[in-house]
Amino acid sequence: GAGVSQTPSNKVTEKGKYVELRCDPISGHTALYWYRQSLGQGPEFLIYFQGTGAADDSGLPNDRFFAVRPEGSVSTLKIQRTERGDSAVYLCASSLKAGGQETQYFGPGTRLLVL
Amino acid sequence: AQSVSQHNHHVILSEAASLELGCNYSYGGTVNLFWYVQYPGQHLQLLLKYFSGDPLVKGIKGFEAEFIKSKFSFNLRKPSVQWSDTAEYFCAVNGHSGYALNFGKGTSLLVTP
Repeated sequence: GAGVSQTPSNKVTEKGKYVELRCDPISGHTALYWYRQSLGQGPEFLIYFQGTGAADDSGLPNDRFFAVRPEGSVSTLKIQRTERGDSAVYLCASSLKAGGQETQYFGPGTRLLVL
Repeated sequence: AQSVSQHNHHVILSEAASLELGCNYSYGGTVNLFWYVQYPGQHLQLLLKYFSGDPLVKGIKGFEAEFIKSKFSFNLRKPSVQWSDTAEYFCAVNGHSGYALNFGKGTSLLVTP
């Protein structure tokens, strides 16, 4: 079956620009997560959605980062006034429902490069 | 603070050698433990997971991991590696009622023919 998909696969932008990264979770999965993976590091949690609402956004690094999931399916991660330090792979994951024992299924990621 | 440590950042083994990758965590309370693998050019995939019960869990492709509560460890093992096991391996933890995964930095495994 179809897995988690993310678009674009690569994004190059200039410092100060605005970017949007999209995530399409597995059909029927109610929980959706965003992580960020910098070079040589493991993924770091950014934000988690249960349905349409952001249940926990404690991992967002600052107020330049924002994410939405208006209809409880597709999610968009938005980054304003990008900085070079935002360069990383942004990963999306989904699980059937919320909970620590749920398996999270990851997408291929969006590689963001801020010049 | 909650943390996950993977001691080996780069491991090189010959085919048929045995593998053990270390993972230690610092977490209060009951935990859920995971090992994920990322093959070259592919996305993160679940290898195995532990929630409760038998501390020795078996996953896909002949991998297993043992949860030792007293040592706060969840080491990954495979008795005989293959070239196709070349990948990046990540240990991850969350709290029993949590959801956000806390990952280690990963171990890059290269298996030579």
